[in-house]
Amino acid sequence: KAGVTQTPRYLIKTRGQQVTLSCSPISGHRSVSWYQQTPGQGLQFLFEYFSETQRNKGNFPGRFSGRQFSNSRSEMNVSTLELGDSALYLCASSLFDAETQYFGPGTRLLVL
Amino acid sequence: GIQVEQSPPDLILQEGANSTLRCNFSDSVNNLQWFHQNPWGQLINLFYIPSGTKQNGRLSATTVATERYSLLYISSSQTTDSGVYFCAVSDTGGFKTIFGAGTRLFVKA
Repeated sequence: KAGVTQTPRYLIKTRGQQVTLSCSPISGHRSVSWYQQTPGQGLQFLFEYFSETQRNKGNFPGRFSGRQFSNSRSEMNVSTLELGDSALYLCASSLFDAETQYFGPGTRLLVL
Repeated sequence: GIQVEQSPPDLILQEGANSTLRCNFSDSVNNLQWFHQNPWGQLINLFYIPSGTKQNGRLSATTVATERYSLLYISSSQTTDSGVYFCAVSDTGGFKTIFGAGTRLFVKA
């Protein structure tokens, strides 16, 4: 069974631009969670989706948004990028909720 | 919200040594997971262990939910065990996972 995939793997953007990251969960998994990892703040929860519904959201500004499609694939979008948005963005999937999460390789975003 | 504290923050071991990593959490949790992050950033799920004890090879974990802590044991450590170990919990409301700051482990050959 294929693992969680994330695209793109690396991304360089400039301040003010927007970015869309994609996550394909393990086949059959319906819950997708997103996390931001930075050296200063560690791993922080962004949001969780199940059956196209956002069930929970972390403490991030409205510039961070996401969605989930009917095939469970998920995207997250960051608008008006700031330097502090440079981070490793990780996606995790699980069957129904966060019982056992499987992580993708992440997308490394650098904002210049 | 739930607070998750991991100790020690850093650990250096000689190959072959044993170690215990600790995770304390501030409130009742719905589940608890241990992860290993390798130097390339990949997070690997080691255990899903909301309570009780589990073993997988040289690794084992114990969670005492009533006392709000979990322990990860690494025996006969190898250089490939190096990386960061994270404890993560979800609150009883569900659907939100909180990570601890991690324990950075370096195993010397």
